[in-house]
Amino acid sequence: DQQVKQNSPSLSVQEGRISILNCDYTNSMFDYFLWYKKYPAEGPTFLISISSIKDKNEDGRFTVFLNKSAKHLSLHIVPSQPGDSAVYFCAANSGAGSYQLTFGKGTKLSVIP
Amino acid sequence: NAGVTQTPKFRVLKTGQSMTLLCAQDMNHEYMYWYRQDPGMGLRLIHYSVGEGTTAKGEVPDGYNVSRLKKQNFLLGLESAAPSQTSVYFCASRRDSGTGGYTFGSGTRLTVV
Repeated sequence: DQQVKQNSPSLSVQEGRISILNCDYTNSMFDYFLWYKKYPAEGPTFLISISSIKDKNEDGRFTVFLNKSAKHLSLHIVPSQPGDSAVYFCAANSGAGSYQLTFGKGTKLSVIP
Repeated sequence: NAGVTQTPKFRVLKTGQSMTLLCAQDMNHEYMYWYRQDPGMGLRLIHYSVGEGTTAKGEVPDGYNVSRLKKQNFLLGLESAAPSQTSVYFCASRRDSGTGGYTFGSGTRLTVV
């Protein structure tokens, strides 16, 4: 059973517009969430994270929003740039003592110039 | 600071051959992981280790073995390769079980013919 779901396998956005990538989770024990970005032929790299005690975290053009009651988080990229074209993975951690992150299947973002 | 280094980067195997993938990290991280990435499947955990001399099974361990004889190295072995093991393999490491995320290697693309 998938505990972290990214229901959109792909997303296309015009350059300069907002990209919104969504992630849903089912495990209420998850208390820390991360987004990873992956370019072809490279390993995933950490992008941004958020603790469950917050509802928003911002880093430059990237903002992650967390809605605990809905068990939903989203990654906003504003403005979108062609270099943002990549696969984005949502991941969740279930507290101190948790050995591993639980990953979603990823969303491929294409930013069209 | 190299981070996580995977060797080799590419390999073609014949069915039934064996090979070992090497992962080395220089960050003194306790936890190490092997994932495989397949189209539409996201990142699936094969095996992981929470410290030198320890290993544990992940989501898809069949057909693979691992060893963590030294803290900085995590080896993934295929004893008898099968076409179903054609995939991209990623190694990752993590400092501890807190809120830190993973650092990934750049991947090994394995083709079994």
